[in-house]
Amino acid sequence: QVPLVQSGAEVRKPGASVKVSCKVSGYTLTKLSVHWVRQAPGKGLEWMGGFDPEDHETIYAQKFQGRVTMSEDTSTDTAYMELSSLRSEDTAVYYCATALWPSGRFDPWGQGTLVTVSS
Amino acid sequence: EIVLTQSPATLSLSPGERATLSCRASQSVSDYLAWYQQKPGQAPRLLIYDASNRATGIPARFSGSGSGTDFTLTISSLEPEDFAVYYCQQGSNWPPITFGQGTRLEIK
Repeated sequence: QVPLVQSGAEVRKPGASVKVSCKVSGYTLTKLSVHWVRQAPGKGLEWMGGFDPEDHETIYAQKFQGRVTMSEDTSTDTAYMELSSLRSEDTAVYYCATALWPSGRFDPWGQGTLVTVSS
Repeated sequence: EIVLTQSPATLSLSPGERATLSCRASQSVSDYLAWYQQKPGQAPRLLIYDASNRATGIPARFSGSGSGTDFTLTISSLEPEDFAVYYCQQGSNWPPITFGQGTRLEIK
C-alpha cells in the first residue's frame, strides 16, 4: 500500500477557492492514478475526478467541471485538488485515493481533509 | 451513468449473527464491483474488490459474491467492530465512478 497524507482542515468564505494536497510516500506519483472523493456531513461518497492512465488525462465529474482542477507536482510526489467558487454545499471531507485498474477500486485512501465554507 | 442501489438502508443485527448486504447496478458492471467499510471519523477502507476478492488484511468472515448487476456482501458472524457503514462502488464504466448510497449496519 502507498500511504497518502493530506493537508489540514480549511475554512473558506463563499466564493473563495481552496487547494487540498495529498502527498504520496514511498512511491512515485507518476506510477499512480490519484482520484478525489468527497463526503458532505452525514452523507455518502461522491467521486469528483481523477487520472485516467489509459488516456493519460485527468477526468472530472460533470458536476464539478469548470470549478475543479486536479494537478500533480512530481518533484515532491504531491497531488492537488483545487475547488473554486465555493458555496456552503461544498462543506465536506475531501479524500484522495489511489485507483487500481481495471476495476477502478480505491486503495488506499488519504485520511481526509475537512473543508468548511461559511460566511 | 451507472446507478448503484444498496439495500437495506439500515440493518440491525446482534454480534454473532450473519449480515447480508445487497448492491444492485442499473446496468452490468461485469465483476468490477468493490465494497468499502467506513467507521465514524475515518476514511473508507477497501474490503472486497472484483466482486469476490478480499483486500489485504481483511478477515475471512467478509465475503463477496455476484456478477453483472446483482452483488452481495456477507459477514458470516458479526464482531463488535463490524458495525459501520458499507458502500459499494463501480469503476467498470466511467466516468463517472459511482458509489451506492450506503448501508448502515447497527447493533440491535
